[in-house]
Amino acid sequence: GDSVTQMEGPVTLSEEAFLTINCTYTATGYPSLFWYVQYPGEGLQLLLKATKADDKGSNKGFEATYRKETTSFHLEKGSVQVSDSAVYFCALSGSSSGSARQLTFGSGTQLTVLP
Amino acid sequence: DAMVIQNPRYQVTQFGKPVTLSCSQTLNHNVMYWYQQKSSQAPKLLFHYYDKDFNNEADTPDNFQSRRPNTSFCFLDIRSPGLGDAAMYLCATSRGGVEDEQFFGPGTRLTVL
Repeated sequence: GDSVTQMEGPVTLSEEAFLTINCTYTATGYPSLFWYVQYPGEGLQLLLKATKADDKGSNKGFEATYRKETTSFHLEKGSVQVSDSAVYFCALSGSSSGSARQLTFGSGTQLTVLP
Repeated sequence: DAMVIQNPRYQVTQFGKPVTLSCSQTLNHNVMYWYQQKSSQAPKLLFHYYDKDFNNEADTPDNFQSRRPNTSFCFLDIRSPGLGDAAMYLCATSRGGVEDEQFFGPGTRLTVL
């Protein structure tokens, strides 16, 4: 079945540091890939997505590129802010063996940015 | 703004006392989902509706039921809450296509005493 493996956290960075959160996936076919962010006590918000190989999703300074050859979708940001502190989830949907309508989540990575 | 609304944001119930959580959407999406999320874990899908078609996950306990009376509303009923059902419950919606993201509500935090 489908699976998503995320870099284990928690991750603690200083403000303006470079961020990478690794995400790799196992799925058949051509899934869509997503990064969601969850702030404390809130629901998940879509951060960015990519729907085909070599697509780059970007939003609020965050970027991730759909790499089919390495089955990866790593999240990056050049300069993090305290307000980026949250839990980040990598997810996929639409594999050949899964449902188009269901998300498979990674375990989540807690990011804390210190001033 | 179009959105997913969950009420209440916080719900306290007693062990074994039935409780209903509600979700509404103004996005006119075909699909509505219910997730359970426990502390420091990813959301776990309980079930979803595609229009009126109900899709239950194989490992969702019978204690959890859902109703979708119309496109805009969906309810989660917990018939006899146990201490292990204390969690955040998230509602989400989607157009239902392969490339379509899910839009999440703010969640209802359920406490079972």
